[in-house]
Order: sequence, then C-alpha cells, then structure tokens
Amino acid sequence: NAGVTQTPKFRVLKTGQSMTLLCAQDMNHEYMYWYRQDPGMGLRLIHYSVGEGTTAKGEVPDGYNVSRLKKQNFLLGLESAAPSQTSVYFCASSFPRRTSGRATYNEQFFGPGTRLTVL
Amino acid sequence: KQEVTQIPAALSVPEGENLVLNCSFTDSAIYNLQWFRQDPGKGLTSLLLIQSSQREQTSGRLNASLDKSSGRSTLYIAASQPGDSATYLCAVSPKDSNYQLIWGAGTKLIIKP
Repeated sequence: NAGVTQTPKFRVLKTGQSMTLLCAQDMNHEYMYWYRQDPGMGLRLIHYSVGEGTTAKGEVPDGYNVSRLKKQNFLLGLESAAPSQTSVYFCASSFPRRTSGRATYNEQFFGPGTRLTVL
Repeated sequence: KQEVTQIPAALSVPEGENLVLNCSFTDSAIYNLQWFRQDPGKGLTSLLLIQSSQREQTSGRLNASLDKSSGRSTLYIAASQPGDSATYLCAVSPKDSNYQLIWGAGTKLIIKP
C-alpha cells in the first residue's frame, strides 16, 4: 500500500497563477483533510471531506477550493495564488472517529507534503 | 478556544541523554492526545495516542504521559540517538468537534553524536 500520496512535491508560482494539488489514499478512508504548516505555527486545517462528494471548510479556507469526486482523491485548488499562501501543504486521511468503551480512535495518516512558494 | 503550546521550540542534546518534551493545552475536554514525529521533507508519523482516561502510553524508548486536569502531556525519550532528530508535534482531539485536531507548533529536536 502506498498510503497517502501527494502531487507535486514542490511548486513555485507567480502571484495570480492557479494550480491544483492532488492527494490520493489507498486505505479506503472516508475522511480526508488538507492542512497548511507555516513556521512557528501548528498545522491549520484548510478544508476537509467526510465522504465522496462532500466537502467542508476548516479553520483557514479563504483562497482555496476543494473537490472530492472520488473517495480516494482529494484535490486542493488555488484559483489566484498569493504570497501569503506560501506554505507546506499536507494531506491526511482517516476513518471516522470511533469509540470503543472509554477509548476514542481517530488516527490520521499523512502524505509527505507539498512545498509551495508564491512569488 | 482550545490552544496547544509546545515548549521549547527547539532542543539540542548529546546522544545518550534522556529527555522530555512538553505539550500543554487549555481545555481539558478532549478525547485523546497524540504525539507525532515529522522528518524533513516527509509527512507526519503518529508515535503514541493517549486516551483521555489514560495516564501514559509506552512504545519502545518513548513514553508519553497525560495529566488532563492540568492540561499537560510529556513525551519522554530514553537513551536518545541521532536518529531521533526530528520535529515532534502534539495534537489534541477536542470533544466539540467530530473531525478536528488542534496542533502545537512542535519542538525541533537535534541529537548530537
């Protein structure tokens, strides 16, 4: 199993350009997530999806759009890139949170990240 | 609003030392707390998950503790090795969300040979 893969690994854009980041997972996970990671800050959730055909906004959704046409894929789009979107982007996937007795399991599995620079 | 803090932001120790990384959170209403490892250019790997009802979890040379009432968790690494060099992040699963993890900014650990 490849786990979670991301394409591309690196990208440099000029302000105003558009691009799409692709995330794929082969673990049959219902949930998928897009995060961004900036220096000195924790991961921040951009958008997430709880199933094929559904998406929802996370903590920092502005300037991004997403689509989940297939269960295994989650796309993150930047329509008009801005320097503030320079970041490392991580995709993750998981099963829905489940509870067994007093234990709760919601482990997320991460891709290797995409380093995006917007000039 | 739940906030997660990790101090220090960076730590450098000689090989062989035992060390402790700290994570604090502001709201005790959590399902669990997780510790992750991040290597440069790679994704995050889950190391340990502690349920809110547990006090500690162990995996090899790693031991994570949780004191929910005081909003603190520690990750203890015994007999550190250069291969332990990485950034360590903690994240809590808050009870007011079905999906979200709230993340600390991480501690960058360097183990000197």
